[in-house]
Amino acid sequence: GDSVTQTEGLVTLTEGLPVMLNCTYQTIYSNPFLFWYVQHLNESPRLLLKSFTDNKRTEHQGFHATLHKSSSSFHLQKSSAQLSDSALYYCALSDNYNQGKLIFGQGTKLSIKP
Amino acid sequence: GPKVLQIPSHQIIDMGQMVTLNCDPVSNHLYFYWYKQILGQQMEFLVNFYNGKVMEKSKLFKDQFSVERPDGSYFTLKIQPTALEDSAVYFCASSLAHRGLANTGQLYFGEGSKLTVL
Repeated sequence: GDSVTQTEGLVTLTEGLPVMLNCTYQTIYSNPFLFWYVQHLNESPRLLLKSFTDNKRTEHQGFHATLHKSSSSFHLQKSSAQLSDSALYYCALSDNYNQGKLIFGQGTKLSIKP
Repeated sequence: GPKVLQIPSHQIIDMGQMVTLNCDPVSNHLYFYWYKQILGQQMEFLVNFYNGKVMEKSKLFKDQFSVERPDGSYFTLKIQPTALEDSAVYFCASSLAHRGLANTGQLYFGEGSKLTVL
């Protein structure tokens, strides 16, 4: 069945270093949508990025990701981590028809230290 | 930004009892969702709802589960009777549409209702 894999459960970085959170997926959908959601402590998950176009970079709030269908990946990157980036990050997948039916990865906790 | 409110934030009940989780979606949204997250695991889709009907449900949406949104009030998830394995955080979400290349299909989540079944 369809699945999303986030290999890192916890990523700890020093402020100012680059961020890369891994996301790979398996799907039968020919045109999948990929998403990154971020959840700060005591807040609700909110959409950070989404993409459905192969090999096109998507950016928002300093983060970026590129959907690579050839490798089934949608890694999240940022050039310089900030303390406020500390949060849970979820990668998710949906098909084109029902974009609200998301298949989530297990999430990566990003902890940024001064 | 738009907010989805969930009530209660935490509820503890005994196995076999009934529980109703309430969700106040974004005001002009038409599609509503419930997701379940067991501690340490990923969020999983339970059900989505539109125009008074269930659109799609997953295998996690057991017969003991039901959803409704009477007269545009709260969107509710009812579990009757509850079981130990129902202990989880339940996230409600809403969207303007169920698809769209723009942001019409974007989900807005609530902060979750933590259910503990003893």
